[in-house]
Amino acid sequence: DADVTQTPRNRITKTGKRIMLECSQTKGHDRMYWYRQDPGLGLRLIYYSFDVKDINKGEISDGYSVSRQAQAKFSLSLESAIPNQTALYFCATSDTQRGGTYNEQFFGPGTRLTVL
Amino acid sequence: GENVEQHPSTLSVQEGDSAVIKCTYSDSASNYFPWYKQELGKRPQLIIDIRSNVGEKKDQRIAVTLNKTAKHFSLHITETQPEDSAVYFCAASTGGFKTIFGAGTRLFVKA
Repeated sequence: DADVTQTPRNRITKTGKRIMLECSQTKGHDRMYWYRQDPGLGLRLIYYSFDVKDINKGEISDGYSVSRQAQAKFSLSLESAIPNQTALYFCATSDTQRGGTYNEQFFGPGTRLTVL
Repeated sequence: GENVEQHPSTLSVQEGDSAVIKCTYSDSASNYFPWYKQELGKRPQLIIDIRSNVGEKKDQRIAVTLNKTAKHFSLHITETQPEDSAVYFCAASTGGFKTIFGAGTRLFVKA
């Protein structure tokens, strides 16, 4: 089945380290997103991309950067990780060809990141 | 900026009772309102959605209502079952661009 995958699934790192989280999808969707989930705060948008040449900041982009290497791949980087970036990170995709302006999102399994 | 408020944050019901979760949104241009269910340790998945040109939508035991004038929308689950226990997120989307999520409601269904 077409899916959204994330690697790694769990990561523990130290303050100041550079970390990359990767997302791949076989759904053929054009849009990809990175969200951060914290208890009691829901899902907050970090970055989104509508195609390979399009990158946009979300609500909480400070301290993060992204790269859309191909339609199917969207990576999130923490250049210098800090403890308050400890969270569950989700990648998601959506398809404007089928959804049009109605934007159902399909989520990956999540990456649990701990910054010590 | 745009925001979506969701209430309650926690809801506990007896099996067979109904559960209602309410959300309000701030961006009057929002035109799509999905609801996602996230079971423990799993990814969020869409369970139902409603578009701005519709006031109500039903799918078996779940229904959503939308009041555009008041900028309110609600999720109704009837005849709740233990497998309905999860975190539910409402969201509001504008023109297929950003989707803003509520903070989530943790629903417990007691057998």
